[in-house]
Amino acid sequence: DIQMSQSPSSLSASVGERVTITCRASQSITRDLNWYQQKPGKAPKLLIYGPSILQSGVPSRFSGTASGTDFTLTISSLQPEDFATYYCQQTYDMPWTFGQGTKVDLK
Amino acid sequence: EVQLAESGGGLVKPGGSLRLSCVGSRFTFSNAWMSWVRQAPGKGLEWVGLIKSNSDGGTADYAAPVQGRFTISRDDSKNILFLQMKSLRTEDTAVYFCATAALFCDGGGCYWRYFDTWGQGTPVTVSS
Repeated sequence: DIQMSQSPSSLSASVGERVTITCRASQSITRDLNWYQQKPGKAPKLLIYGPSILQSGVPSRFSGTASGTDFTLTISSLQPEDFATYYCQQTYDMPWTFGQGTKVDLK
Repeated sequence: EVQLAESGGGLVKPGGSLRLSCVGSRFTFSNAWMSWVRQAPGKGLEWVGLIKSNSDGGTADYAAPVQGRFTISRDDSKNILFLQMKSLRTEDTAVYFCATAALFCDGGGCYWRYFDTWGQGTPVTVSS
């Protein structure tokens, strides 16, 4: 199975800060990498796929990049509504695995 | 707006069975690859399995922890996705989400799958 190592597992940040979350795949997954945001008690929400294509309606402060097996989600200026848990997911090969999540909370 | 709605969750004893349903609306359900994802209390997301559209073969794939115990099926005439769960264990306790596995295509071809629509989830508790 492809393992997705996400880091950090949690971070504290202030409104307006730039936040970066990294996901590393255990093998090549080409560009089959997605990012989701989940708030407590809610279903996950797709943010980015492909892994740099912004889902419709997602603010442009979110962006994604890829370099080999390393993938990055960046929030350019953290907003109050961005405090949540973020997950990466590979859909290159079954089983489609998720990273362990990164919880972003208020510093 | 595309919608998914799960139902069927509840409390079941270890070794028991449960069937979850997910009704889709406002999209062509028969063309969709559909998936189940679960989340144990306080834990991360775990992919459970997927069923392809019948036009793509209609086959299902499963995560190792549920292989042989869970079965995913679909009724395209009623726009319903099912998750039949047997031999349930305490570690199967989770909120179960259904999701559509959309495919990105452009003029050059089709490339990536991603979960673009999720249901609200249905809780399953396995406990004696």
